[in-house]
Amino acid sequence: GAGVSQSPSNKVTEKGKDVELRCDPISGHTALYWYRQRLGQGLEFLIYFQGNSAPDKSGLPSDRFSAERTGESVSTLTIQRTQQEDSAVYLCASTLVADNTEAFFGQGTRLTVV
Amino acid sequence: AQSVTQLDSQVPVFEEAPVELRCNYSSSVSVYLFWYVQYPNQGLQLLLKYLSGSTLVKGINGFEAEFNKSQTSFHLRKPSVHISDTAEYFCAVTVRGGADGLTFGKGTHLIIQP
Repeated sequence: GAGVSQSPSNKVTEKGKDVELRCDPISGHTALYWYRQRLGQGLEFLIYFQGNSAPDKSGLPSDRFSAERTGESVSTLTIQRTQQEDSAVYLCASTLVADNTEAFFGQGTRLTVV
Repeated sequence: AQSVTQLDSQVPVFEEAPVELRCNYSSSVSVYLFWYVQYPNQGLQLLLKYLSGSTLVKGINGFEAEFNKSQTSFHLRKPSVHISDTAEYFCAVTVRGGADGLTFGKGTHLIIQP
């Protein structure tokens, strides 16, 4: 696609439910990044993929968070047993190579946990 | 670890006036520096970046920034702002040559007053 695509754009879920957020990177981009943006805050780095491998998962906020990526394509971020503090905008970015010199961001998924 | 400080959470300026958005960073290793802009309900767009070479970098929409290693700063400037520049501006840093995600500041909301 022409840009990074994320779905859904908005998600309202009940506390305790699981949610799955999807990111479609720019075709040919080998690296993919997930960030969380809480209201009034900067972006918080969560995890990155080089291909389908995530070298470091220590940025994930808790063990309720997991992510996977199929080849150099779609990635999903899953949050289990959602809590109200998970409410945020989740942004995905992709880069041609994993050097961060030019990251392209999607429009994000706004997650609201009620 | 790196950190980014954006000293002003909000900057109001009159249309056609100059503006400077301040950014300071902390890192024990060489870094790349970035400014991103986020318009309402949109993802982040790269304004400009410093990778190496000239310390004065020019970006889109008439913005420029100057890397000052001794002061660990990367302030963003524009000589004359327009209403359309109203947005959230984020300064970010990453380790030179590293693959981990960007470390962002908390953002500065630029408010253009007519």
